[in-house]
Amino acid sequence: SQQGEEDPQALSIQEGENATMNCSYKTSINNLQWYRQNSGRGLVHLILIRSNEREKHSGRLRVTLDTSKKSSSLLITASRAADTASYFCAGFTGGGNKLTFGTGTQLKVEL
Amino acid sequence: DGGITQSPKYLFRKEGQNVTLSCEQNLNHDAMYWYRQDPGQGLRLIYYSQIVNDFQKGDIAEGYSVSREKKESFPLTVTSAQKNPTAFYLCASSIATGVGNQPQHFGDGTRLSIL
Repeated sequence: SQQGEEDPQALSIQEGENATMNCSYKTSINNLQWYRQNSGRGLVHLILIRSNEREKHSGRLRVTLDTSKKSSSLLITASRAADTASYFCAGFTGGGNKLTFGTGTQLKVEL
Repeated sequence: DGGITQSPKYLFRKEGQNVTLSCEQNLNHDAMYWYRQDPGQGLRLIYYSQIVNDFQKGDIAEGYSVSREKKESFPLTVTSAQKNPTAFYLCASSIATGVGNQPQHFGDGTRLSIL
C-alpha cells in the first residue's frame, strides 16, 4: 500500500521559477523524507523532517509538514534544468521500521 | 567510495526461471531493503533486513526470496512464482531501522524483463 500521494503527478516549469510539490499521507508518521530520482537511477535522499518540526530548509529546498492535515510540501526555489527528476515523499512509521513511499511528482525544468 | 552496488543493471528472465539480483554495500549499514518500482506506482517494499541472518516480509513478498548471510550483502531471488516480475528493482541500506530515523541510501537499480 502507498503511504503518500504526491500532487501534482507532473510539473513543467521554466528555469528560475519555483517548484512546489505536495504530499498527503494516510497514517501517523515519525518523520517524513523527500527523495529525488533521476531517470533510470536510484533515489537520493534530500531532506528529513520530524513529526515535531513544521519547516526545514536545506540550500534551495524548503519542506513544510502539517501533521494535523497529514500533508507535506517541498519547495525548490530558483529551479535549474538539473533539477529535472522525479521527487518522492516517504513516511517513516517507527512501529513498522520501514519507509512507505508516495507515487512521486515528475518535475521538468526547461531552459 | 562508499556506496551500494547492484548488479546486473539489466536482466532477462525466461518463463519458469529463477533469477538472483545482487546488492552489496560497503557503508557498514545494519539495515538493507529491496523495493520494486513500477511506472506510476512509486516504490513498494519487498523484503527488509535489520541484521545479519534476519529478514522480514514487506508489502509484496510473494514470489520473492532473500538471504542475509553477510552484513554487506542482501541478494534477492525472483522466483518462477512471481508472475509479473518485469519491473525496476532497487536496493537500499540505512544505519539501522527505527533508530534515529536515518535516511536510506540507494543503489542504481536492476531492470528485469521477461523474454
